[in-house]
Amino acid sequence: DTAVSQTPKYLVTQMGNDKSIKCEQNLGHDTMYWYKQDSKKFLKIMFSYNNKELIINETVPNRFSPKSPDKAHLNLHINSLELGDSAVYFCASSQETGNYGYTFGSGTRLTVV
Amino acid sequence: QKEVEQNSGPLSVPEGAIASLNCTYSDRGSQSFFWYRQYSGKSPELIMFIYSNGDKEDGRFTAQLNKASQYVSLLIRDSQPSDSATYLCAVNYGGSYIPTFGRGTSLIVHP
Repeated sequence: DTAVSQTPKYLVTQMGNDKSIKCEQNLGHDTMYWYKQDSKKFLKIMFSYNNKELIINETVPNRFSPKSPDKAHLNLHINSLELGDSAVYFCASSQETGNYGYTFGSGTRLTVV
Repeated sequence: QKEVEQNSGPLSVPEGAIASLNCTYSDRGSQSFFWYRQYSGKSPELIMFIYSNGDKEDGRFTAQLNKASQYVSLLIRDSQPSDSATYLCAVNYGGSYIPTFGRGTSLIVHP
């Protein structure tokens, strides 16, 4: 069974469109995250969310918004897509403190044309 | 600004050798340290975590932490071509459970 699953794996879309990426974890973890990995492989935190709080990286444009229907799901919604949004987006989860590390999803490669 | 520095490489070692990957960090308040492996086109995979000064061994992997000098290392013994990947160092700073990642070191193990 896949521990952290993301869909879709690939997403090609035009500038200005709105898109969503879904993430689900079956590990019983308390906290979920979204990371962006750019072309230079740098992993940058976008959001962290558990039942208690949403932590937003202040550098993330407000066109990006996380949506969590329940503890096992954290979706990423992106409005008005721009060319610079092209990257690989990873969902991850951890036990609440993150002291045992993360489990990452397989990633979604977003290409904006 | 809290930083995690890694040499981008590539680090090239022959099969069977010891590969040594290094990471330095800027904040003395750091508490948790992680090594992830990322194959090309795949997601990061946790290899090891370490909290205390000294060595921690898991199979062919050894993590070494020196808080006084602010570095953490990963040694891979008996390197195999299948170890060829990018290795990411991540550091949790005190009070935060969101780690800061380094940019990774590319390791190439050649037969």
